[in-house]
Amino acid sequence: ELKVEQNPLFLSMQEGKNYTIYCNYSTTSDRLYWYRQDPGKSLESLFVLLSNGAVKQEGRLMASLDTKARLSTLHITAAVHDLSATYFCAVDMADTGNQFYFGTGTSLTVIP
Amino acid sequence: NAGVTQTPKFRILKIGQSMTLQCAQDMNHNYMYWYRQDPGMGLKLIYYSVGAGITDKGEVPNGYNVSRSTTEDFPLRLELAAPSQTSVYFCASRDNHYQPQHFGDGTRLSIL
Repeated sequence: ELKVEQNPLFLSMQEGKNYTIYCNYSTTSDRLYWYRQDPGKSLESLFVLLSNGAVKQEGRLMASLDTKARLSTLHITAAVHDLSATYFCAVDMADTGNQFYFGTGTSLTVIP
Repeated sequence: NAGVTQTPKFRILKIGQSMTLQCAQDMNHNYMYWYRQDPGMGLKLIYYSVGAGITDKGEVPNGYNVSRSTTEDFPLRLELAAPSQTSVYFCASRDNHYQPQHFGDGTRLSIL
């Protein structure tokens, strides 16, 4: 069974600050996904990382993937209140790509 | 473009009752998924399908059944509902292994 761990689980940060969310996974996979979920809402896709060294950026968010270390990071630059949400990483199995495993999520609160 | 449509949005069941959660997508995606999300947790995969007529178990399949008679529809059946099945259920679909999943708005199910 593949395990996906995120840290921190809860993050409270001031507007304008930078921070990084970490996602570790336990077995071989070269596909990693980041999603955002607002309270009471569905999940929205942020990034798809498909190879070792992949880096994607959108606005104040940047995601990267190190498949050798089995680690992905989601970096937040100059946080704003609108980024307050829960962020999930997810991994699918390298062989079939059908079994999906989500991390427990990082609940981010950006304080004005 | 409707995307992934889930019905109902809310439902209360009594212990031992049965029901079917509906999921339909209009994007002609082969891959479809059912997840449950318990409060404050990540998503757990219940069942998935790689095409019409093909389904397989995910991480937490016990107490559920699925069918996939068409590309568009992927209903989830709960037999003999139990309080442990109180959760938010999300359906998702995607085009291939290299694309993110598109999620429905979820069904909030309480079993009393």
